[in-house]
Amino acid sequence: EVQLVESGGGLVQPGGSLRLSCSASGFIFSNYPMHWVRQAPGKGLEYVSLISSNGVNTHYADSVKGRFTISRDNSKNTVYLQMSSLRAEDTAVYFCVKGLGQWLVTTGPLYYFDDWGQGTLVTVSS
Amino acid sequence: EIVLTQSPGTLSLSLGERATLSCRATQSVSSRYLAWYQQKPGQAPRLLIYGASTRATGIPDRFSGSGSGTDFTLTISRLEPEDFAVYYCQQYGSSPLTFGGGTKVEIK
Repeated sequence: EVQLVESGGGLVQPGGSLRLSCSASGFIFSNYPMHWVRQAPGKGLEYVSLISSNGVNTHYADSVKGRFTISRDNSKNTVYLQMSSLRAEDTAVYFCVKGLGQWLVTTGPLYYFDDWGQGTLVTVSS
Repeated sequence: EIVLTQSPGTLSLSLGERATLSCRATQSVSSRYLAWYQQKPGQAPRLLIYGASTRATGIPDRFSGSGSGTDFTLTISRLEPEDFAVYYCQQYGSSPLTFGGGTKVEIK
């Protein structure tokens, strides 16, 4: 059974930083790209970031580009999201997600999401 | 960017009724790369349908997806108590990946 367990959420002031972690089990972690998707309170879903299976390639939504960094440690079956220069609009539940699809140079990442963690809440407020 | 518009915003139906949810895209979704998710309060989304019409593992056959191009539909043939939730569509035919705003199916 696939399990994705996020941690690291909390309250942070605007301009601050936070690192989220996601521990994975139940599948061969190093074979899969991993993603972060977020959901602001009472709102819909927003794609945030993706990292390739070997950690070499990354992709970000325009809304977080230059502020967030995704990374992974395949020896620990863990993916991270380092968030800096946080804004009020970054307040959301952040989901760690395993996806299926493809990532081509010509098309960019094309994935749907078959397994989700329970999410961790990040609140950016003074 | 492909924008997905889901309608109606809220669907009020009774147990056993048929639910028809719409997802309309501003551009054609390549290769029918459209997925549907169900989300209950306080829970993560769950994959229901991918490839516009293929049910994910363990999804009951009362859920079905159809459509192509810019118009897609999720149908729940007979609503069960556990089906009352919010449903999202997502396109993965072009980057950036985008989600619809959701349809809430509530008990009438």
